Amino acid sequence: QVQLQESGPGLVKPSETLSLTCSVSGGSMSSHYWNWIRQPPGKGLEWIGFIYYSGSTNYNPSLKSRVTISEDTSKNQFSLKLTSVTAADTAVYYCARANYGSVLDFWGQGTLVTVSS
Amino acid sequence: EIVLTQSPDFQSVTPKEKVTITCRASQSIGSSLHWYQQKPDQSPKLLITYASQSISGVPSRFSGSGSGTDFTLTINSLEAEDVATYYCHQSSSLPRTFGQGTKVEIK
Repeated sequence: QVQLQESGPGLVKPSETLSLTCSVSGGSMSSHYWNWIRQPPGKGLEWIGFIYYSGSTNYNPSLKSRVTISEDTSKNQFSLKLTSVTAADTAVYYCARANYGSVLDFWGQGTLVTVSS
Repeated sequence: EIVLTQSPDFQSVTPKEKVTITCRASQSIGSSLHWYQQKPDQSPKLLITYASQSISGVPSRFSGSGSGTDFTLTINSLEAEDVATYYCHQSSSLPRTFGQGTKVEIK
């Protein structure tokens, strides 16, 4: 059974960079797309972007100028960096696997990141 | 960007009642529509893939239908454990998008 676990700071100051890592266990990162999705408190889900195991990426245009997703397949991890954060970036951040690039079949438990001074 | 619009936003139903949630896409997405269930303080869980394909381990009272722009999630005979917010999600094109969610509560 594939398991994903997000890790990183729970508090980030405005204008700084949010950095999160997702650790994948119970399976290989090969042949799948690895996604980041976020959910502001009390609101719906927003897709941030994904990285394919080969290293190719795709980002939501609404965040593209500030987002970088990278991977370290030797550690079975992938990461999210979001620059110049504001209070609007406060959310629960989820990592998730997309089977065949489409279906989000495994999700992490999510981690709350609050942007505040 | 494909916009997914769910209706209703909120539904309060009695146990064993049938629940129907619709998801309308702003353009045709074939059958590339998936449904997720998110219980309070939990991460979303996959319910239905490609509009109507069931997932192993998901109760048979959950079913999906539709294609093109109009899709439906049906919960036959609602149980207390089904209290959750339900989201549709399209994988037809980038960026991936979600519906705004439908919250289902027990009356």
